[in-house]
Amino acid sequence: GAVVSQHPSWVICKSGTSVKIECRSLDFQATTMFWYRQFPKQSLMLMATSNEGSKATYEQGVEKDKFLINHASLTLSTLTVTSAHPEDSSFYICSASTAGLGETQYFGPGTRLLVL
Amino acid sequence: AQSVTQPDIHITVSEGASLELRCNYSYGATPYLFWYVQSPGQGLQLLLKYFSGDTLVQGIKGFEAEFKRSQSSFNLRKPSVHWSDAAEYFCAVPGSSNTGKLIFGQGTTLQVKP
Repeated sequence: GAVVSQHPSWVICKSGTSVKIECRSLDFQATTMFWYRQFPKQSLMLMATSNEGSKATYEQGVEKDKFLINHASLTLSTLTVTSAHPEDSSFYICSASTAGLGETQYFGPGTRLLVL
Repeated sequence: AQSVTQPDIHITVSEGASLELRCNYSYGATPYLFWYVQSPGQGLQLLLKYFSGDTLVQGIKGFEAEFKRSQSSFNLRKPSVHWSDAAEYFCAVPGSSNTGKLIFGQGTTLQVKP
């Protein structure tokens, strides 16, 4: 149980285009989903927290107009990288939980984005 | 403020040898503690978690961790390492607010020698 999927697993796009990444909880309802970014050989950097039906909460320094997050249902959240640039190339990972202090986060397999 | 420190950035052990990965935390109350593992190019998989009760926690893949309040530690152990255990290991604690956020340590890269 507690499986989280991400799609696509990898994507290559041209600079200036937008890319949408989907995160789904397959066998449970996730009231909260988290989006992380990870650079090579580094830890995870939390970008934003999204709760179903409400606006995402972005971490300091994360551009909310560039990284659009939608959490339309209890099993789906999307991250759209708008007007992508090469510096947005990274490994993006989502996780899902039933929220609350101490609740376990279950992670997706990640999406590798390369912007040319 | 909550924080997690993994003192060892990189550890190499021989296959079959025992393993201990260190994790120290700073937390205002009795913490919830997690260990995750990340294989190259993959997401994170939960190895084990401590919420309360028995301070020795058993996880998947033969891993265990011991919560020691006096040392503010939650070290991960495995008695005999397999080559497939080579991966990145992250210790985590919840953030300060009731949002479900996790604060991750810097990670420890485990290399297994044949």
